[in-house]
Amino acid sequence: DSGVTQTPKHLITATGQRVTLRCSPRSGDLSVYWYQQSLDQGLQFLIQYYNGEERAKGNILERFSAQQFPDLHSELNLSSLELGDSALYFCASSVGWGSYNEQFFGPGTRLTVL
Amino acid sequence: AQSVTQLGSHVSVSEGALVLLRCNYSSSVPPYLFWYVQYPNQGLQLLLKYTSAATLVKGINGFEAEFKKSETSFHLTKPSAHMRDAAEYFCAVSEGSNYQLIWGAGTKLIIKP
Repeated sequence: DSGVTQTPKHLITATGQRVTLRCSPRSGDLSVYWYQQSLDQGLQFLIQYYNGEERAKGNILERFSAQQFPDLHSELNLSSLELGDSALYFCASSVGWGSYNEQFFGPGTRLTVL
Repeated sequence: AQSVTQLGSHVSVSEGALVLLRCNYSSSVPPYLFWYVQYPNQGLQLLLKYTSAATLVKGINGFEAEFKKSETSFHLTKPSAHMRDAAEYFCAVSEGSNYQLIWGAGTKLIIKP
């Protein structure tokens, strides 16, 4: 158990819909990262927050947005969903913002768009 | 731009045999290098990392990796494979703390009984 929690574990929805994925980092970690993992694109970094502020952006679509709240939990919002958005979405956390910090991954949310 | 190449999307070895998973990177400066492992239906976890100390890095579960600057490589090895090592392994590189990790495509390790 990494100490990172993600809810829900599974999510099934229809095209065009909007969903919210939630992540609680390990106690004491200030950085939260979001990743998308799919068979065709592999592991893709989406976005990083550090202590409530956006720190880095990766391959995140404009239809996707995220935020980190004062209690440090984070939410990833996916809207106007398409079939291609079906994937595993991982949240990770680390103590600091630098890339040398070990990232601790949650168990993931499996999103299926029908 | 940084890039990471993991040679072989699938590697199959017999139980007890040497495991060798290859990772090559491109970087203009000494990088931070990582190996993460993903067991089936789980998130990733850190196996080991190189941060410019010793070039031979020992990790968990008997794995180690050697940083070779001249070859821009950071291959992962384990002397004797166990069935429990069956997983997907990811190499990642960063040029510095201000830069994001760049992830390799992953290598699935298959262990034959």
